[in-house]
Amino acid sequence: KAGVTQTPRYLIKTRGQQVTLSCSPISGHRSVSWYQQTPGQGLQFLFEYFSETQRNKGNFPGRFSGRQFSNSRSEMNVSTLELGDSALYLCASSLWLAGERNEQFFGPGTRLTVL
Amino acid sequence: EDQVTQSPEALRLQEGESSSLNCSYTVSGLRGLFWYRQDPGKGPEFLFTLYSAGEEKEKERLKATLTKKESFLHITAPKPEDSATYLCAVQADQVSGTYKYIFGTGTRLKVLA
Repeated sequence: KAGVTQTPRYLIKTRGQQVTLSCSPISGHRSVSWYQQTPGQGLQFLFEYFSETQRNKGNFPGRFSGRQFSNSRSEMNVSTLELGDSALYLCASSLWLAGERNEQFFGPGTRLTVL
Repeated sequence: EDQVTQSPEALRLQEGESSSLNCSYTVSGLRGLFWYRQDPGKGPEFLFTLYSAGEEKEKERLKATLTKKESFLHITAPKPEDSATYLCAVQADQVSGTYKYIFGTGTRLKVLA
């Protein structure tokens, strides 16, 4: 069974630009969550999508947004990039909402560098 | 304020030298506590979920326990391949009726042959 895939794996952007990251969950999984990981802050929860609807959201500014498609694939968008957005962005999928007693499986992440 | 703290930040063990990693938490409305292992350049790998105080789970050389204030990840007779960063996370209720995840900053474990 294929795992969670994320594209691209590496990305370099400049300040002010916008970026879209993609995540394909494990087949059959309906929930997709996004996280930001930095050396200083660790892993921080961005948001979770289930059945094309955002169900949970962390404390990130509105520049960070996402969506989920009918096939459960998800995209995350960051507009007006700032230097502090440089991070590893991780996607995780689970069968149901991640809180409903089922585990999350993480992808390898997209390394975003903002210059 | 909801908080998750892991200690120690880094740990070096000799092969076979058992030890424990700590995850202390202060949250209202704990739904679950999770342990993950993360290798360099990879996403976290799920290890355990614990839901209530007194619960214990085991997997090979790892054993996770949970109290009302903290969780321990016990590593028995570790091997070099156990070297990784171990992350603890809690899932907690929010006032809005939804929930949030809070991760600790991890413990970097190095097991020497």
